[in-house]
Amino acid sequence: DAGVIQSPRHEVTEMGQEVTLRCKPISGHNSLFWYRQTMMRGLELLIYFNNNVPIDDSGMPEDRFSAKMPNASFSTLKIQPSEPRDSAVYFCASTLRGGTEAFFGQGTRLTVV
Amino acid sequence: LAKTTQPISMDSYEGQEVNITCSHNNIATNDYITWYQQFPSQGPRFIIQGYKTKVTNEVASLFIPADRKSSTLSLPRVSLSDTAVYYCLVGDKGNTDKLIFGTGTRLQVFP
Repeated sequence: DAGVIQSPRHEVTEMGQEVTLRCKPISGHNSLFWYRQTMMRGLELLIYFNNNVPIDDSGMPEDRFSAKMPNASFSTLKIQPSEPRDSAVYFCASTLRGGTEAFFGQGTRLTVV
Repeated sequence: LAKTTQPISMDSYEGQEVNITCSHNNIATNDYITWYQQFPSQGPRFIIQGYKTKVTNEVASLFIPADRKSSTLSLPRVSLSDTAVYYCLVGDKGNTDKLIFGTGTRLQVFP
């Protein structure tokens, strides 16, 4: 398996634009996590899914953020409208049957100017 | 997940053994202790997991005392490439759970 695949690797966008980040978890994994990492706040859990169902989105910073998982092999994190303070590295991770051994993607570095 | 506390940073030199301790006073009976390693510009990577006593793999050893309220990640003979942030997590391995990462320990290895 190629591991968790995220796209794009880098995204530069202007304030106010919509941004969509994509994630393909490892085949067979049924839990998926979205994280945001900044120097100031570290690695923050935004939302996680079990069997494609959002379980806890309490980490989503505000209504501008939304995440979906339409099937077991694809998830998106959308920011609309984007703001400069959203600039960060966004990671997706998946696990098998939940648990604590997670596999992370390479991340998407988002810059909002 | 049980809350964890670990040093913010540590320095070492190549060839030395590094021990990073994590406190988890509220660990539950079903909780396992898991350590991740994160290199710059990469996502965290699972390195070791244990429940009690000692676990060893090709990367590190994990020492867990009988009361399980703390654990120590041991890296033998570190090299410059071991410079990374190391995170300690505590949670139930068998159930779906949130993976909450703390601030981690930033290890800097010098020549």
